[in-house]
Amino acid sequence: GESVGLHLPTLSVQEGDNSIINCAYSNSASDYFIWYKQESGKGPQFIIDIRSNMDKRQGQRVTVLLNKTVKHLSLQIAATQPGDSAVYFCAETSTGAGSYQLTFGKGTKLSVIP
Amino acid sequence: KAGVTQTPRYLIKTRGQQVTLSCSPISGHRSVSWYQQTPGQGLQFLFEYFSETQRNKGNFPGRFSGRQFSNSRSEMNVSTLELGDSALYLCASSVGQASGNTIYFGEGSWLTVV
Repeated sequence: GESVGLHLPTLSVQEGDNSIINCAYSNSASDYFIWYKQESGKGPQFIIDIRSNMDKRQGQRVTVLLNKTVKHLSLQIAATQPGDSAVYFCAETSTGAGSYQLTFGKGTKLSVIP
Repeated sequence: KAGVTQTPRYLIKTRGQQVTLSCSPISGHRSVSWYQQTPGQGLQFLFEYFSETQRNKGNFPGRFSGRQFSNSRSEMNVSTLELGDSALYLCASSVGQASGNTIYFGEGSWLTVV
């Protein structure tokens, strides 16, 4: 079946550096994508989303890039801080289906080295 | 504004028993969905409700069921518990009336089956 996956399961970055977390999706009908951050023992926390009619969207210290041609999504975190250490999930859905079923990737664990 | 609230946060059940988990969505949100998270399978969609109607269901056995009340609060039930049902059960809510509304998660209910 179609699913969302991640290129890298773990990522270690130095505090202050930029982080890039990648995600590949295979469902060409997907038109809405979300990045979530999950800290240990907590539920997924919404970070940023992007719709398929956009290539880039920026938030506070985060940027999401969408390349529909190669079905690739990335999350960029600027000036990574220790508090950014968590597991990051990308999720996708096809809003035309009329429901809100998200398909999640496996997750990437981000470790920030002080 | 209160977030998605799930109760109980932690519970331990014995094989063969049944369990009911509760979710209160963000005020004004009418879509409630449920996910199961395990280390092996990741985040998997269980079902989604909107205005008391199940709109979509994931690939889980009939032992997993849910419902939504007129105030948008939702419950999920798992009957005849198996060891493999041990997981973090997450509830998410969204406005639900238009495509691509942001989906927010609660902190989850940790279920351990012994």
